[in-house]
Amino acid sequence: KAGVTQTPRYLIKTRGQQVTLSCSPISGHRSVSWYQQTPGQGLQFLFEYFSETQRNKGNFPGRFSGRQFSNSRSEMNVSTLELGDSALYLCASSRGGMTTNEKLFFGSGTQLSVL
Amino acid sequence: GDSVTQMEGPVTLSEEAFLTINCTYTATGYPSLFWYVQYPGEGLQLLLKATKADDKGSNKGFEATYRKETTSFHLEKGSVQVSDSAVYFCALTEPTGNQFYFGTGTSLTVIP
Repeated sequence: KAGVTQTPRYLIKTRGQQVTLSCSPISGHRSVSWYQQTPGQGLQFLFEYFSETQRNKGNFPGRFSGRQFSNSRSEMNVSTLELGDSALYLCASSRGGMTTNEKLFFGSGTQLSVL
Repeated sequence: GDSVTQMEGPVTLSEEAFLTINCTYTATGYPSLFWYVQYPGEGLQLLLKATKADDKGSNKGFEATYRKETTSFHLEKGSVQVSDSAVYFCALTEPTGNQFYFGTGTSLTVIP
């Protein structure tokens, strides 16, 4: 069974640009959640999508957005990039989502560098 | 609000040493507790979990016991190996909550 796939693996952008990251969950999983990981802040929750609807959202500005498609694949978009957005972005999938206390299956992440 | 506090790292141990990584939590309800591990260059993997007080999660020689009276979920291993070198994250989720709360992670390096 294939795991969670995130693309691209690495990205380099400049300030002011926008970026789109992709996450393909494990087959049968309807929940995809996104996280930002930095050395200083640790792992922070961005948002969760379930069956194409955003179900939960963390405390990030509106520049961070996402969507989920009918095949459960999800994209995350960051507009007007700032230097502080440099981080490892992880997505995780699960069958029922975070409210079911199920374990999360993580992808390897997309390392975003903003210059 | 809910939160998770982990002991700060980095932690460096010799092979076969005893490991403890402390984790305490603050929660309004009765959360489920997790330990995740992140090996170099990889995403997080669930290491173990416990869903109610006094439960003990275990996997790959690691153990953690859900202690409601001390609001703790400390990770332990009796004899660490070089291959255990990784970053370990404590996390919780409320039964009716809507997100996971992670600790900041503890980096472990095991030297031969």
